[in-house]
Amino acid sequence: EAQVTQNPRYLITVTGKKLTVTCSQNMNHEYMSWYRQDPGLGLRQIYYSMNVEVTDKGDVPEGYKVSRKEKRNFPLILESPSPNQTSLYFCASSLVAGSGYTFGSGTRLTVV
Amino acid sequence: AQSVTQLGSHVSVSEGALVLLRCNYSSSVPPYLFWYVQYPNQGLQLLLKYTTGATLVKGINGFEAEFKKSETSFHLTKPSAHMSDAAEYFCAVSDPNQAGTALIFGKGTTLSVSS
Repeated sequence: EAQVTQNPRYLITVTGKKLTVTCSQNMNHEYMSWYRQDPGLGLRQIYYSMNVEVTDKGDVPEGYKVSRKEKRNFPLILESPSPNQTSLYFCASSLVAGSGYTFGSGTRLTVV
Repeated sequence: AQSVTQLGSHVSVSEGALVLLRCNYSSSVPPYLFWYVQYPNQGLQLLLKYTTGATLVKGINGFEAEFKKSETSFHLTKPSAHMSDAAEYFCAVSDPNQAGTALIFGKGTTLSVSS
């Protein structure tokens, strides 16, 4: 089944403890992206990648890192999480711009 | 820069009534336009999209949207609401010249359907 898989689905962590949210797609898509969703703010792009080793900042990149060493994987790294990074995170992938993104099921992160 | 405005953060309709969710966009180039639906505790699912060609686009679950360039709008409609349509809906825009980059989302409209 074609899909974008994120792990974990739920995560509670403490301020300052490094964490990684994994994202993998099995559709051979070139484009991948991370979004965060907050009430009243909709979805905002954190980082995106147009291919292996090609990444760029979105609208809200502060406090996040990404890497794209393989086409299928696009992990999101929080080096020192803070409470304002408590949010619902979505990974998405796309073959080309006009096809629209396929989204993962989301990761609900709580930083205390 | 591109932007999306969804008019009405919350829309309530009765079962069987017309659904109309409004979306206006701002873009300096002819955009690609999308509607996504999000059910509780789930990810986003693509309902329909406009890229080029016919301006009336049909999607899944009986939804359709019409691209009106003169009004910079891409409103989502469904002739008869069903209880299962209750969800949050997002309109999004992208720049075809910036392949694979930002999909700019509106803030979402929550649709409630009453019996």
